Amino acid sequence: DIQMTQSPSFLSASVGDRVTITCRASQNIIRYLNWLQQKPGKAPELLIYGVSNLQTGVPSRFSGSRSGTDFILTISSLEPEDFATYYCQQSYATPWTFGQGTKVEI
Amino acid sequence: QVLLQESGPGLVEPSETLSLMCTVSGASIASNYWTWFRQPPGGRLEWIGYIYYSGGTNHNPTIFNPSLESRVTISADTSKNHVSLKLTSVTTADTAVYYCTRGGGFGGYPDFWGQGTLVAVSS
Repeated sequence: DIQMTQSPSFLSASVGDRVTITCRASQNIIRYLNWLQQKPGKAPELLIYGVSNLQTGVPSRFSGSRSGTDFILTISSLEPEDFATYYCQQSYATPWTFGQGTKVEI
Repeated sequence: QVLLQESGPGLVEPSETLSLMCTVSGASIASNYWTWFRQPPGGRLEWIGYIYYSGGTNHNPTIFNPSLESRVTISADTSKNHVSLKLTSVTTADTAVYYCTRGGGFGGYPDFWGQGTLVAVSS
């Protein structure tokens, strides 16, 4: 299985902060990397697919990129509704696998 | 807008079969991938598997997580526009919130999610 490792696991931030979350895959997944957001008691929601494609309806403060073997989720200016847990997920090979999650909290 | 709604028993006894249904509205299940995930309480999301429902043939390929493959079935019913999940011989380790989603396949992505349904395995 492809292992997905996120960092950090927890992130303390304030409204207006620029936040970056990193995800690394244990092998080459080309560009098949998605980012999801999950709020407590809710289903995950797709934010970004294929490294950098913003899902319809997702605010433009969210962006995705790749730097070498690292995939990066950036929130340019944190809003109150962005406090949640973020997961990366690869769809290059089955079984699809997720990172352990990054909880963004105040 | 694509809406998905999972339904099924909230409690299953050990060694029994867990059966869930995902009712889809706003999209046809034909010519789409449909994926099931689960998430144990406080735990990481886990991919269960997906089905591609071609709609016109009897060939509807499915791919499952090898860790569950011997116990899991995913099927689709166009007459009711729903997708089903069955997991046999359950144990307490199968206690989780189960989600159905649209999207799957190589390079795919889960773009619409159901709200999820909690299934507890307990006697």
